[in-house]
Amino acid sequence: DTQMTQSPSSLSASVGDRVTITCRASEIISNSLAWYQQKPGKVPKLLLLGASTLESGVPSRFSGSGSGTDYTLTISSLQPEDFGTYYCHQFYTNPWTFGQGTTVEIK
Amino acid sequence: QVTLKESGPALVKPTEALTLTCTFSGFSVNTFAMRMSWIRQPPGRALEWLGRIDWDDATVYTTSLKTRLTISKDTSKNQVLLTLTNMDPVDTATYYCARSRPGSSALDIWGHGTMVIVSS
Repeated sequence: DTQMTQSPSSLSASVGDRVTITCRASEIISNSLAWYQQKPGKVPKLLLLGASTLESGVPSRFSGSGSGTDYTLTISSLQPEDFGTYYCHQFYTNPWTFGQGTTVEIK
Repeated sequence: QVTLKESGPALVKPTEALTLTCTFSGFSVNTFAMRMSWIRQPPGRALEWLGRIDWDDATVYTTSLKTRLTISKDTSKNQVLLTLTNMDPVDTATYYCARSRPGSSALDIWGHGTMVIVSS
């Protein structure tokens, strides 16, 4: 199975900060990657697909990049509502797999 | 409007089988390239992808549950079913169903989830 490793596992940042979360796959996944945001007690929400395509309605401060095995989610200017846990998900190889999550806290 | 809703027992005993139903509306699961997944999340822990069924009835399961998990669909009822046998307390989790729309395998629509506790 393709292992997805996210870093850091948690971070604390201030409003307005630039935040970057990394996801590393154990094998090449050819941009077949999605990012989700999950707030406590809520359902995960799709943010980006195809590594860098913003889902409809998602603020443009979210962006994604990467290739091969390494991918990043960037929040250009952290907002108070951006707290929560972020997950990457690869759908290039079967079975699909998630990263272990990165929890973002607002200072 | 596309909606998904999970239903099933909130409590199951160890060794029993769990059957959950995902009832959806606003799309057809038989549409080319449509995929439906099940995901679970133990309390305070990460998401775990369990498996999926595709528009053509193909199924894929996560390796660790391959011998216990079955996913099927009932097109006439707009439902996708999950059956997990030999339940154990470690299977306690919120179970979600989610859709992948044609053209992308990302999980774009999720149900609200249903919490299942495994306890005697």
